[in-house]
Amino acid sequence: QKEVEQNSGPLSVPEGAIASLNCTYSDRGSQSFFWYRQYSGKSPELIMSIYSNGDKEDGRFTAQLNKASQYVSLLIRDSQPSDSATYLCAVRSSGSARQLTFGSGTQLTVLP
Amino acid sequence: ETGVTQTPRHLVMGMTNKKSLKCEQHLGHNAMYWYKQSAKKPLELMFVYNFKEQTENNSVPSRFSPECPNSSHLFLHLHTLQPEDSALYLCASSQAGGAGGPNEQYFGPGTRLTVT
Repeated sequence: QKEVEQNSGPLSVPEGAIASLNCTYSDRGSQSFFWYRQYSGKSPELIMSIYSNGDKEDGRFTAQLNKASQYVSLLIRDSQPSDSATYLCAVRSSGSARQLTFGSGTQLTVLP
Repeated sequence: ETGVTQTPRHLVMGMTNKKSLKCEQHLGHNAMYWYKQSAKKPLELMFVYNFKEQTENNSVPSRFSPECPNSSHLFLHLHTLQPEDSALYLCASSQAGGAGGPNEQYFGPGTRLTVT
């Protein structure tokens, strides 16, 4: 069973702080990794994708991937109340060109 | 219309009804997906279509019947559902890329289904 694990939270950080969201996965052959943001009552929105070990930055968001440790993280710098949402980690595993496995999500609250 | 659209946005149906959910993507993709999202549970992949051909069916009960007439449209036909089928049903699309290619999936707004 291929699994993607996230801390369910809730995670609370003050406005302006760095929020750190973590995800581990079981399939060592996984190739592609994604972070989605989902506001309450809305559908998931893709915010980051990462395919190689290391860091990938996009604005206030940084995705970090360590395939040896089977670990992917999302850092949100200068957190804003509008970042309050559930963040979903998704992994494309080996042997499947299209199927993504999602974690259960981490609920983030940014306190004004 | 842009992105991925879904209709209806909300649906209430009885257990003996037959209804259909519709999804349309305007992104030029050739793979489409149905997901189910229940409260407090991870997203569950239901069906995958690649170039109109169904490539995956994740042990979904037969009361859910997908249809993909072309690469832009996807339907989910519903009949004799159970109350536990109440959930948010999400459609997504992506490029069909091979094992080494990107697979960024973009979601529609979803249909909130309530079975009474």
